[in-house]
Amino acid sequence: QMQLAQSGAEVKQPGSSVKVSCQVSGGTFSNYAFSWVRQAPGQGLEWMGAIVPMYGTPIYARKFQGRVTITADESTTTVYMEIFSLKPDDTAMYYCAGDVGYCDVGGCFSLWLERWGQGTLVVVSS
Amino acid sequence: DIQVTQSPSSLSAAVGDSVTITCRASQGIKNFVAWYQQKPGKAPKLLIFAASTLESGVPSRFSGSGSGTDFTLTISSLQPEDVATYYCQKYNIDPTFGQGTKVEI
Repeated sequence: QMQLAQSGAEVKQPGSSVKVSCQVSGGTFSNYAFSWVRQAPGQGLEWMGAIVPMYGTPIYARKFQGRVTITADESTTTVYMEIFSLKPDDTAMYYCAGDVGYCDVGGCFSLWLERWGQGTLVVVSS
Repeated sequence: DIQVTQSPSSLSAAVGDSVTITCRASQGIKNFVAWYQQKPGKAPKLLIFAASTLESGVPSRFSGSGSGTDFTLTISSLQPEDVATYYCQKYNIDPTFGQGTKVEI
């Protein structure tokens, strides 16, 4: 059974960056997809992007293109999500999730999210 | 962009009642819909994918239906442990979640 363990809570200054990790165990890593989803306090879920480690090229929601980088390290079976130029409204719980997505000649696609990490709270405040 | 509208935003029902939550897409999305349950302070949990396929281990009182633009999640006999917020998600291209439905007893 795949498990996803995320890094701990962070408090950041506006304008800085944060990198959240998601260590994956108990499943196939390289050809599985991983998504990042965030949830602002009291708000709904927002999909940010995804990566299939074997292919290496992430896909992003238009809103986060250019400000978020998703990477994967196959040697440590860890997925990372970094946000740059943090703003107070980036304060949220950030989740990584095992995604039954895939890549083919048409690109990479995110499907349903069948396993979730415990979440990482990121607070952006001066 | 394809918009996803979920309704109602909240509902209250009695134990044993049948409850239905609706998700509508602004354009046809085949059966590319999943449903999640989120309890307070917890990560979401997958209930249904491909609009109507029950995830392993999920109680059979949960069911999903729909295709194209209109989708529903039904809880056939509401239980106290079903108190949660439920989200639909369209996936494949430009994944998007619905606004959520808070279910109370």
